[in-house]
Amino acid sequence: AQKITQTQPGMFVQEKEAVTLDCTYDTSDQSYGLFWYKQPSSGEMIFLIYQGSYDEQNATEGRYSLNFQKARKSANLVISASQLGDSAMYFCAMRESDSNYQLIWGAGTKLIIKP
Amino acid sequence: DAGVTQSPTHLIKTRGQQVTLRCSPKSGHDTVSWYQQALGQGPQFIFQYYEEEERQRGNFPDRFSGHQFPNYSSELNVNALLLGDSALYLCASIGGSYEQYFGPGTRLTVT
Repeated sequence: AQKITQTQPGMFVQEKEAVTLDCTYDTSDQSYGLFWYKQPSSGEMIFLIYQGSYDEQNATEGRYSLNFQKARKSANLVISASQLGDSAMYFCAMRESDSNYQLIWGAGTKLIIKP
Repeated sequence: DAGVTQSPTHLIKTRGQQVTLRCSPKSGHDTVSWYQQALGQGPQFIFQYYEEEERQRGNFPDRFSGHQFPNYSSELNVNALLLGDSALYLCASIGGSYEQYFGPGTRLTVT
């Protein structure tokens, strides 16, 4: 079974609109972390936001927020007021447990912002 | 403060050859992870180095090996290259917190 599922291969969004990128995960661990990264065409992975499984508040970083619904095992990324520079691939990733150091990644969502 | 650096940027090799990729972590970071990202896919974990030892390994054959130096920089070596090894190789630098910072990657093409 897929550990990280991103169901939207691609999305088109009008500039200045908000956008939600979906991510569901599967783990039996109680302590885990969820990440979102942005990958422009240049290839570099840019860290956006992190949510720990025990964090009670949804994480926010500037225009990025993470809608964490633990019971549904969902960790959607919300980008407010989208900009042309937000066009990129977006990846959801998970680190299972404190003793497991690898990140497990989804297949990504290609976001294109239209002017 | 320099970020994560990787070299070379691009590399073209022939099947059967060997390749070495290099990574320097962020200042103050002592842990390095390596990932392989095939075209159109998410990254796959290769291994992680901490205190000059391989701490964890993903599902990659022994042709993939690595090393970490006392200054925390790291190398990824791939022997007997296959066409399927063509990918973007990403290095992640990890400090004391949860954040993993990635370098620009090395794009390897095997012909």
